[in-house]
Amino acid sequence: GAGVSQSPRYKVAKRGQDVALRCDPISGHVSLFWYQQALGQGPEFLTYFQNEAQLDKSGLPSDRFFAERPEGSVSTLKIQRTQQEDSAVYLCASSPHRYEQFFGPGTRLTVL
Amino acid sequence: QQQVKQSPQSLIVQKGGISIINCAYENTAFDYFPWYQQFPGKGPALLIAIRPDVSEKKEGRFTISFNKSAKQFSLHIMDSQPGDSATYFCAASIEETSGSRLTFGEGTQLTVNP
Repeated sequence: GAGVSQSPRYKVAKRGQDVALRCDPISGHVSLFWYQQALGQGPEFLTYFQNEAQLDKSGLPSDRFFAERPEGSVSTLKIQRTQQEDSAVYLCASSPHRYEQFFGPGTRLTVL
Repeated sequence: QQQVKQSPQSLIVQKGGISIINCAYENTAFDYFPWYQQFPGKGPALLIAIRPDVSEKKEGRFTISFNKSAKQFSLHIMDSQPGDSATYFCAASIEETSGSRLTFGEGTQLTVNP
């Protein structure tokens, strides 16, 4: 069956550019999460959606980061005016219930 | 503040040996403790998980041991195989908090030599 998909898989941006990262969760999964994984580190929570409602955005590192899930399925993470410290792998996960989360392959963002 | 601390950072084991990875947590409200396996270029995949009402859970070659009083839990991989070579993350979450958002450890890079 189809798992969580993310696109693009790799993104190179010049400092100051805006980027948009897409997540297609598993069909029917109510919960959707975004995590940021720096090189050699564990994933860190960014934000959480239950259907279309963004219930927690406390992990977003700055107001340059914005996430949406307008129809309760596909989600987009947008980063404005990218900085070098934004370089990381951005992981999306979806969940059918409270605990088990299924992760996508991630988008590796490199900011030059 | 690192709420989940993981050790060792890296581990080398011979084929057939036992791999042991340890984690310690600070927040006693955590009530779900999963272990994830991640291969290069892939997202983390759930291996096994435990809740604090049990002290041990076994699934195939993978066992979680949980010590609530010490606030520690560990992953044991029996009969380790070269295909087990990957990065392992422990994590913790709280039910009903942000959909059970996960707090991850720093990761352990496991290498199983043939």
